[in-house]
Amino acid sequence: QQPVQSPQAVILREGEDAVINCSSSKALYSVHWYRQKHGEAPVFLMILLKGGEQKGHDKISASFNEKKQQSSLYLTASQLSYSGTYFCGTASLYDKVIFGPGTSLSVIP
Amino acid sequence: GAGVSQSPSNKVTEKGKDVELRCDPISGHTALYWYRQSLGQGLEFLIYFQGNSAPDKSGLPSDRFSAERTGGSVSTLTIQRTQQEDSAVYLCASSFLELGGYTFGSGTRLTVV
Repeated sequence: QQPVQSPQAVILREGEDAVINCSSSKALYSVHWYRQKHGEAPVFLMILLKGGEQKGHDKISASFNEKKQQSSLYLTASQLSYSGTYFCGTASLYDKVIFGPGTSLSVIP
Repeated sequence: GAGVSQSPSNKVTEKGKDVELRCDPISGHTALYWYRQSLGQGLEFLIYFQGNSAPDKSGLPSDRFSAERTGGSVSTLTIQRTQQEDSAVYLCASSFLELGGYTFGSGTRLTVV
């Protein structure tokens, strides 16, 4: 089953924070996060594994709540370069990733 | 190679013709995936290869679609008797085992006229 993402779209001013949520009705082993800019291929951001963890690099971080089958991506002090569509993807152990519908994020000056 | 390479980058074909799309994954990556992305839409899973295991074909939309992976490396996605609804960007990705992040190729934009 495809994971659910919210919100569908968000507009931010530079420097503002955003949270993108991803949830699944299926037991998960891993959650992936990718960003896709217009006309380009998706780019891997991070992967979180079962066990409940938080990861981050620079001003982008994510958490995975295994019990709730939910993950959240946190973008702090947003920059213009953060604009794009963010996809979460979920997978069971040793299985392919199924992607959510995406969240369009626009950062304006 | 340094990244996932796909060819051609663009393909325009007439309805009813067959097309072949090629993917050259990152050297050493054992897993290879094909996804399809229609305009403004998400990533639709098509097929997945892992090592010498039988491929997971559960996402192929019809029997007109097939794929193979030769020598555990290069993969070819074949669409027979193309239809207009097959128009999309076909993305290939590879990873080192299933637990790694995916590296995507730039995709093949297929237009069926």
